[in-house]
Amino acid sequence: EDKVVQSPLSLVVHEGDTVTLNCSYEVTNFRSLLWYKQEKKAPTFLFMLTSSGIEKKSGRLSSILDKKELFSILNITATQTGDSAVYLCAVVSGTYKYIFGTGTRLKVLA
Amino acid sequence: DVKVTQSSRYLVKRTGEKVFLECVQDMDHENMFWYRQDPGLGLRLIYFSYDVKMKEKGDIPEGYSVSREKKERFSLILESASTNQTSMYLCASSLDRVSGEQYFGPGTRLTVT
Repeated sequence: EDKVVQSPLSLVVHEGDTVTLNCSYEVTNFRSLLWYKQEKKAPTFLFMLTSSGIEKKSGRLSSILDKKELFSILNITATQTGDSAVYLCAVVSGTYKYIFGTGTRLKVLA
Repeated sequence: DVKVTQSSRYLVKRTGEKVFLECVQDMDHENMFWYRQDPGLGLRLIYFSYDVKMKEKGDIPEGYSVSREKKERFSLILESASTNQTSMYLCASSLDRVSGEQYFGPGTRLTVT
């Protein structure tokens, strides 16, 4: 059965800290891995990863995929209170199947 | 910017009622999806559609049906609402069925009493 597991489930840090969020997966026909940020509403897209070892970067956020070990990490440096959210990882398997993890809830304290 | 809108942010219905949740996207996307999101379970796919009048069951279709009569609109129907269908319902659309980014609507929090 396809599955995506995120860790930790939740995390509390102080502003300025660096955090690493993990996403591991087991799927039958990997196409891509997606990261989303969800505040109190719709998930918003952060990154799509398809190739191993190529870092995607956007400001203080970066992500990388390891297709051999079947995981991805999302790094956030110099965290701010606005980074507080649930971070979702999804893996696309086959032609339509988006499998979501349960998310990591990040709280950044001022 | 892609915009996905959902007909209601909050909805309260009684057990046994027929419930319609509507989703509209404005980017001419082929693919549309309905998920429900529950604490500890993540997002689970109910149905998706890759073209007008085409639909495919997701992981948890029981108790739900869908309708896609126009490309921009995808409706989720609860034929006879039950309390275990109390949840957050999220609609999404994507251009690329194979691997791509999904754009989500703001969600409808449905409570069935």
